Formats: sequence, structure tokens, C-alpha cells
Amino acid sequence: DVKVTQSSRYLVKRTGEKVFLECVQDMDHENMFWYRQDPGLGLRLIYFSYDVKMKEKGDIPEGYSVSREKKERFSLILESASTNQTSMYLCASSLFLGSGSSYNEQFFGPGTRLTVL
Amino acid sequence: DAKTTQPNSMESNEEEPVHLPCNHSTISGTDYIHWYRQLPSQGPEYVIHGLTSNVNNRMASLAIAEDRKSSTLILHRATLRDAAVYYCILRDPRGSGTYKYIFGTGTRLKVLA
Repeated sequence: DVKVTQSSRYLVKRTGEKVFLECVQDMDHENMFWYRQDPGLGLRLIYFSYDVKMKEKGDIPEGYSVSREKKERFSLILESASTNQTSMYLCASSLFLGSGSSYNEQFFGPGTRLTVL
Repeated sequence: DAKTTQPNSMESNEEEPVHLPCNHSTISGTDYIHWYRQLPSQGPEYVIHGLTSNVNNRMASLAIAEDRKSSTLILHRATLRDAAVYYCILRDPRGSGTYKYIFGTGTRLKVLA
């Protein structure tokens, strides 16, 4: 059974702390994604990675960075957490099937609910 | 990126069919229509996708209008387990290979026992 796991379901941090959110997938997928989900705004893409050590900014990268040192692991880093980063964070992965493939299911983890006080 | 419009919420009775609409009037000829759903306390999961023809799988059916400006996700017999937020998403597979999805706010489906 395919699996995307996230290091914590719930996390509470203080303003200014450095926060690491970890995501691991066991499907040998090339693509990995970080989203945040907020009421009324849906899911918004923060960063994605299409290969080890490769990354691209999504729609809302400000205040975040990422790291992908191994294919199966994609980390989201909040360098200095702020209260407006309180949110649900979702990680996803997908196969690279080549440009033009219509089928590209993204598999999501259960999410990490981060509260910054 | 082309935009989709969905109702904020819908209700259905258990064991009855549900038709979830999605408008995408600015869809391009190469955009595929994808549907995902998000059950409570879980990440989204894939439901179905299509381009022009109607599509069926074990979870649902996708009916696409002839002009492709709208589509409808059909759950043939709603169960309580189908209560979720349903997202309609457009994706152009010709992109850079990153397969970026743009999720809107979706339709929250409530199933009544």
C-alpha cells in the first residue's frame, strides 16, 4: 500500500523558533510537494521538488525553505516561525511519467497541524 | 492557470446519487479535469480524471460537457463515508513535468442518513 508519512500530526512552536516538518514516501516517487491548507483558501502550493536536491517555488514560498537530500524525504523549514504560519501542512508525492502524461495522481500524507504561539 | 468554480456545499441523502458540478469556462484544449476529495482529518485523495469523454471508475463517474466548459462528478449511491470536500482541478500535462495542481476551496458534501 502506498504511503506518505509526516513526522507529526500536531506541533506547537513559539514565534521565532526554527521548525522542521518532515515528509517521507515509500513509493520511489520523483516529485514531492508541500502545501498549506487554510479555511476559505483551500490548498496552496509552497514548494515542490522534482528530483534530489532540486526544488522550485510554488505560489506562497515566502518564509519557507525546503530540503531534499534523499529521494524519499522532503523537508519543509520555517526559519523563524511566525503566527501567520499557523496552518495545516500537507505533503504529497507523485511519479514522473514524462511530459504529456495525463495520469499523475498525487498521494498525500495525513497532514501536520502547526500552531505558532 | 484556468480557474474552476464549485458550489461551497451540497447535501445528499444516503443511498441516492449525487451530482457535483464544476464550471471551468476558461479551460484550454489541453487541460485535463481532475477530481480529488478530502475526507475529514485526512489528506486529499484522487477520485477520477478525464479530457473529453465521460469516464467511469470504481469510485465515481465524470461527465464532461461537450464544450468542456463544465463537468459533473457523479457518485452513484452516496454513503456516509463519501462525506468530504470535493475538489475540481484543471491540469495541463504539457507542463514542465512538475504536475502542479491548483486546488480551489472545493464543495463540502454532507450525506444525510
